[in-house]
Amino acid sequence: SQKIEQNSEALNIQEGKTATLTCNYTNYSPAYLQWYRQDPGRGPVFLLLIRENEKEKRKERLKVTFDTTLKQSLFHITASQPADSATYLCALDPDNYGQNFVFGPGTRLSVLP
Amino acid sequence: NAGVTQTPKFRVLKTGQSMTLLCAQDMNHEYMYWYRQDPGMGLRLIHYSVGEGTTAKGEVPDGYNVSRLKKQNFLLGLESAAPSQTSVYFCASTGRGGYFGSPLHFGNGTRLTVT
Repeated sequence: SQKIEQNSEALNIQEGKTATLTCNYTNYSPAYLQWYRQDPGRGPVFLLLIRENEKEKRKERLKVTFDTTLKQSLFHITASQPADSATYLCALDPDNYGQNFVFGPGTRLSVLP
Repeated sequence: NAGVTQTPKFRVLKTGQSMTLLCAQDMNHEYMYWYRQDPGMGLRLIHYSVGEGTTAKGEVPDGYNVSRLKKQNFLLGLESAAPSQTSVYFCASTGRGGYFGSPLHFGNGTRLTVT
């Protein structure tokens, strides 16, 4: 069956450390992956997109990698801050038709001061 | 520029009652979506629309109907609410469709409780 998994439901790290979140998928062949941030009581907000022909993408303190052989994307936040505490979701287009998106369950990140 | 606006923000229904959730976007987006979010299950697609007058079923469409009479609005209806429909409902839109990797823009959700 098709599914998307994210490494853990919750992740606690110390301020200043690098947070690494994992997104694994099964029985999909996505052309790209997206990462979103969701704060409590709010809708998800788009952060980054990485395509299948890109190994790595960066935006400020964020870095995303995409390994189509391992069927995995890693999302890194360097020099993490308490303000980075949120739930992070990965998403992909299951058919690459551009008509719908499938989301992982999310990882709740807490950055402790 | 408000983005994606959902109304109402909260609602409590009794089993068997009906209601309509409204989603409005002011970005002239073609594609619109309704998701539900439940603890531990992530966002699941209910219905979506690739243009005015068109709708399609997503992963969990049973018990819901939708309409897209105007490009900027996407309505989600519950004809006879059930406790299993207690959830947070999110509307989203995107301009060029996911093929181009265009990101989804989400509203802030409607929290629905069915007793």
